[in-house]
Amino acid sequence: DAKTTQPPSMDCAEGRAANLPCNHSTISGNEYVYWYRQIHSQGPQYIIHGLKNNETNEMASLIITEDRKSSTLILPHATLRDTAVYYCIVRVARDDKIIFGKGTRLHILP
Amino acid sequence: DGGITQSPKYLFRKEGQNVTLSCEQNLNHDAMYWYRQDPGQGLRLIYYSQIVNDFQKGDIAEGYSVSREKKESFPLTVTSAQKNPTAFYLCASSPGTGAYSNQPQHFGDGTRLSIL
Repeated sequence: DAKTTQPPSMDCAEGRAANLPCNHSTISGNEYVYWYRQIHSQGPQYIIHGLKNNETNEMASLIITEDRKSSTLILPHATLRDTAVYYCIVRVARDDKIIFGKGTRLHILP
Repeated sequence: DGGITQSPKYLFRKEGQNVTLSCEQNLNHDAMYWYRQDPGQGLRLIYYSQIVNDFQKGDIAEGYSVSREKKESFPLTVTSAQKNPTAFYLCASSPGTGAYSNQPQHFGDGTRLSIL
């Protein structure tokens, strides 16, 4: 079973920041937080991951709370192409499989 | 560009036939994976391989077989023993274990298999 809880859907206006929350209250000290997204009929696309520090790359920022029980993925300027299902995953580095939950379906509104 | 190539994008199988799905990567990754995705569902691991000539069963290996003769290739065969093969099949790769074990898996664009 997935170790994360995400809202089933969210809306965001085009051009605004999209903030996608994820709860992982049972996360252990050696588990990383990963975010992927899946656009319809395509493979999942890796976005970002982190252990305890906030991370930023060209796609997004990842904010992890100090107690590591939740995190937020931030897409700074959402576009229509960001419409997708976003998955938050916790995983021990040595684990071979990724357990995807149901994710958050993000709708970008023009 | 480096990446993972899955072919074909769509595949149709008659009942009783075996079919093989191709997965090739040019990322120089040691580890490769096969997942199955059903409509509205998450991904389920079928097989994975951490090194050439070695592979392990995932959660739903029955009715499937794999080989890993080359680092860049990890074909999946869906056999006639797989009773419900209609699904979206995804191949992934990652650098592997050791110092790179926290690096993410990267996915191909999938093969959609349907039964005629």
